[in-house]
Amino acid sequence: GAVVSQHPSRVICKSGTSVKIECRSLDFQATTMFWYRQFPKQSLMLMATSNEGSKATYEQGVEKDKFLINHASLTLSTLTVTSAHPEDSSFYICSARAFLAGVYEQYFGPGTRLTVT
Amino acid sequence: EDQVTQSPEALRLQEGESSSLNCSYTVSGLRGLFWYRQDPGKGPEFLFTLYSAGEEKEKERLKATLTKKESFLHITAPKPEDSATYLCAVETGANSKLTFGKGITLSVRP
Repeated sequence: GAVVSQHPSRVICKSGTSVKIECRSLDFQATTMFWYRQFPKQSLMLMATSNEGSKATYEQGVEKDKFLINHASLTLSTLTVTSAHPEDSSFYICSARAFLAGVYEQYFGPGTRLTVT
Repeated sequence: EDQVTQSPEALRLQEGESSSLNCSYTVSGLRGLFWYRQDPGKGPEFLFTLYSAGEEKEKERLKATLTKKESFLHITAPKPEDSATYLCAVETGANSKLTFGKGITLSVRP
């Protein structure tokens, strides 16, 4: 299967600061990556779709100025949480779409735990 | 609006006790149905993708099936290491967006 990495795995930041999370496809190229958010004991909620070389598409209710997404290459997408507040504390997970064995699959990274104090 | 419902919410099995997890869906234009396994504090691990009604896929003790309205994940003779949350998701739309169910938390007692 395809491997997706995320960095950092955990981050603690102070309220009002910005945090950048990286998502990389390690052994394949991904024209499309996705960013999700997961609260404790809840399922994944799609935040935005990131396409290489173009602007991200945000889901309804997600503030594009707060969650900045950049997909500058076929193997890297970044999510920057700007002016973070405690309510932004969550588990952020990215996924990448891979074409393997003739079909498209979506593979997920290990997630980033963000805690805003 | 696409909807995915998983049942039961939680399932406790004795080791060796086979069972099935259900995922029912209401979508317009299904492109694929995905099953993932998620352990606490980790990202989802890909298990299967099913594309058309009647399709079945197997991997070790797991077997996934698909009809026009639902999918089942059958677990045969589970072991404690199968304990995890199992997520079902449907892929729809031109941008391949995934909509997830709430997941089923499986606990297998030795």
